[in-house]
Amino acid sequence: DTEVTQTPKHLVMGMTNKKSLKCEQHMGHRAMYWYKQKAKKPPELMFVYSYEKLSINESVPSRFSPECPNSSLLNLHLHALQPEDSALYLCASSQDYTQLYGYTFGSGTRLTVV
Amino acid sequence: AQRVTQPEKLLSVFKGAPVELKCNYSYSGSPELFWYVQYSRQRLQLLLRHISRESIKGFTADLNKGETSFHLKKPFAQEEDSAMYYCALSGANRDDKIIFGKGTRLHILP
Repeated sequence: DTEVTQTPKHLVMGMTNKKSLKCEQHMGHRAMYWYKQKAKKPPELMFVYSYEKLSINESVPSRFSPECPNSSLLNLHLHALQPEDSALYLCASSQDYTQLYGYTFGSGTRLTVV
Repeated sequence: AQRVTQPEKLLSVFKGAPVELKCNYSYSGSPELFWYVQYSRQRLQLLLRHISRESIKGFTADLNKGETSFHLKKPFAQEEDSAMYYCALSGANRDDKIIFGKGTRLHILP
């Protein structure tokens, strides 16, 4: 298995809802990442997990809450989002934090906040 | 400060013509450099990395430390090369992050 799988592919949520995005990989990668990508823009880093521990939080608002239950899974819990949070949310993984081999990206969850 | 600059937002090239996508970087140590590609409606994927000195889909990129550049080249463009290309940079330390350039959209004209 050489893929990063993200579910759901599409999500529409209201500003008072609570939802979660899920990311899974079975490549034995020990670093996992959440990125946010707006249309026609490069991905922006949100969080980095290295060996299941949060190592980087790019000053992301607390309405986004990451979780890494084990080395294969990464979740992003969403609560009280704003319409400007609508974007493509990408998960990625790499062998380890050194990133020498680059990232493997998932296909993303397209989130719309209404 | 780490920075990746891709000066062209859009590059249009005729099929069969040579392609060069420019990337310049700013980094105080020894960077790891990558090119990522995003085809229409597909996921972002790694195209090549400087450390492996490989050629993927006919593309090559050479790290020029003197000019701090990592330009992506292909001698003969193909229509299937039309995509968004991102140059990216990272260090080798635990707290280093991959920084992406703003991207260049490559449009191959028939």
